[in-house]
Amino acid sequence: EAGVVQSPRYKIIEKKQPVAFWCNPISGHNTLYWYRQNLGQGPELLIRYENEEAVDDSQLPKDRFSAERLKGVDSTLKIQPAELGDSAVYLCASSLEAGAVYEQYFGPGTRLTVT
Amino acid sequence: GIQVEQSPPDLILQEGANSTLRCNFSDSVNNLQWFHQNPWGQLINLFYIPSGTKQNGRLSATTVATERYSLLYISSSQTTDSGVYFCAVEIIGSQGNLIFGKGTKLSVKP
Repeated sequence: EAGVVQSPRYKIIEKKQPVAFWCNPISGHNTLYWYRQNLGQGPELLIRYENEEAVDDSQLPKDRFSAERLKGVDSTLKIQPAELGDSAVYLCASSLEAGAVYEQYFGPGTRLTVT
Repeated sequence: GIQVEQSPPDLILQEGANSTLRCNFSDSVNNLQWFHQNPWGQLINLFYIPSGTKQNGRLSATTVATERYSLLYISSSQTTDSGVYFCAVEIIGSQGNLIFGKGTKLSVKP
């Protein structure tokens, strides 16, 4: 069974440019999460989807970040415009709700460097 | 909000040694997961352990939910065990949102 797939693995952009990250969750997983991990820290949740609905986006900086999961499968996270402080690893995770159990599985992440 | 504290922050071991990593959390939680982040950044699931004890090879974990802590045991450590170990808790009512600790960085020397 394939794991969570993310692309690209690395991205270097100049500040004020847009950037997009893509995630394909484990087949059959209805819940998808985007996290951001700063250097030396644990991941922090940005947004959670249940199927195609964003059920928790309270931590997403909505002035510059947006996300979508149009068909309830793969998802895209966008930053426009990027700032120097957005440099981080962006992680996607998915889980299958089974009796209120949400064991999460993570993708390899996208390492973003904003110069 | 809930606080998740991991100790020690750094740990250096000689290959073959045993270790115990601790995770304390400040409020009741639905569930707890342990992850290993390898040097390439991949988060690998170790245990999904809201309570009780589980074992997987050289690793085992115990969560005492009533006392708000979890322990991860690594026995006969190997160089491939190096990386950062994260504890993450799911807040009650959050339906899966994980709050991570800052991790324990483990280095196993040959």
